[in-house]
Amino acid sequence: NAGVTQTPKFQVLKTGQSMTLQCAQDMNHNSMYWYRQDPGMGLRLIYYSASEGTTDKGEVPNGYNVSRLNKREFSLRLESAAPSQTSVYFCASSEVSGSNQPQHFGDGTRLSIL
Amino acid sequence: SQKIEQNSEALNIQEGKTATLTCNYTNYSPAYLQWYRQDPGRGPVFLLLIRENEKEKRKERLKVTFDTTLKQSLFHITASQPADSATYLCALASKLVFGTGTRLLVSP
Repeated sequence: NAGVTQTPKFQVLKTGQSMTLQCAQDMNHNSMYWYRQDPGMGLRLIYYSASEGTTDKGEVPNGYNVSRLNKREFSLRLESAAPSQTSVYFCASSEVSGSNQPQHFGDGTRLSIL
Repeated sequence: SQKIEQNSEALNIQEGKTATLTCNYTNYSPAYLQWYRQDPGRGPVFLLLIRENEKEKRKERLKVTFDTTLKQSLFHITASQPADSATYLCALASKLVFGTGTRLLVSP
């Protein structure tokens, strides 16, 4: 029972490089999310997809793009990585968004930008 | 904007005692509030949800209260165990806003 799977688990990039973080869920959830977690800042929403075919900006979308490839997969792309994007990135899913449904998280991608 | 505040200092308690963690929110009156547990190197895991019309919710050794007048939720772990050591996050799920979490350390 995989739940939410994120790849890769770790990545080191140089400033200016591009990178796509992958996320897939096997729970048939409609909504998916990307967060970043930094010390002292907590989880901050980057982008979310309420349903297949839709995406919306969260609190900190600058420097990122997303693609909801299908119901299962939601990817996050850094077009030109910056040191300020060094963080732990979490993908999550829920049955629907904006409701009392719990979110199910992956175990994160630890990204360092040099 | 909606804001959630949790005590950033770690809470250290002895095994067997009750741990109480606090979550305060501003600028919003949520219909629901959620609590998650996060272990080092892992993603958050959902524990409990409480509705605004519920004063208290229990699940095994866990208890959550919700005071809409004080804009506060308390999370209690009774008979705490070293295995309860983790960071606990509260969240306004409908607004996709999480607190920074409070780290709990339970000593044998």
